[in-house]
Amino acid sequence: SQQGEEDPQALSIQEGENATMNCSYKTSINNLQWYRQNSGRGLVHLILIRSNEREKHSGRLRVTLDTSKKSSSLLITASRAADTASYFCATARQGGATNKLIFGTGTLLAVQP
Amino acid sequence: GAVVSQHPSRVICKSGTSVKIECRSLDFQATTMFWYRQFPKQSLMLMATSNEGSKATYEQGVEKDKFLINHASLTLSTLTVTSAHPEDSSFYICSARAWGTGGEGQFFGPGTRLTVL
Repeated sequence: SQQGEEDPQALSIQEGENATMNCSYKTSINNLQWYRQNSGRGLVHLILIRSNEREKHSGRLRVTLDTSKKSSSLLITASRAADTASYFCATARQGGATNKLIFGTGTLLAVQP
Repeated sequence: GAVVSQHPSRVICKSGTSVKIECRSLDFQATTMFWYRQFPKQSLMLMATSNEGSKATYEQGVEKDKFLINHASLTLSTLTVTSAHPEDSSFYICSARAWGTGGEGQFFGPGTRLTVL
């Protein structure tokens, strides 16, 4: 399969707790991106990390990238009920003219108020 | 900036009919657009890559005669699901890549939910 894998598939936490999601992929990449999708809606771009970067922060989000292990993690700190959504990682492969994105399987996050 | 729209947002059609979905980049030129399909509670699966002025590149297992893609201008790509059947019911999402960006700068439309009766 061309897809990456994400774990856990589903995560339920209490408001205020931190949520960590992991993503593994198979090929060499130019960058890795994280997206959020609310049920039945389009994708919202959260953060992009390039292959030469190891960690990146954006507000309550922290992303790490380990290219040797072909894995990434997304940490959401101090979670809120509004963070409830599906989260997907997507990789842009190295090489090729179009740099198409390949999506992971996704993590369904439920934040209980 | 960087808004991508899709039309229609929802469509219900009878089995055997064809349905056209439009994807537009509203404030930028998109040399490349991508079409994805998403079944309930699953991830996005890339169907095809659409380049302005040339034939689309389809992913393995996607029938090019069933899913016709036309990228006639730098701001519009269309996906036509021909002779739709209930198994084609899905959420179709497009994305557009702005000129000169590589993977970065890819913007997604809000999706089109297709239901085939």
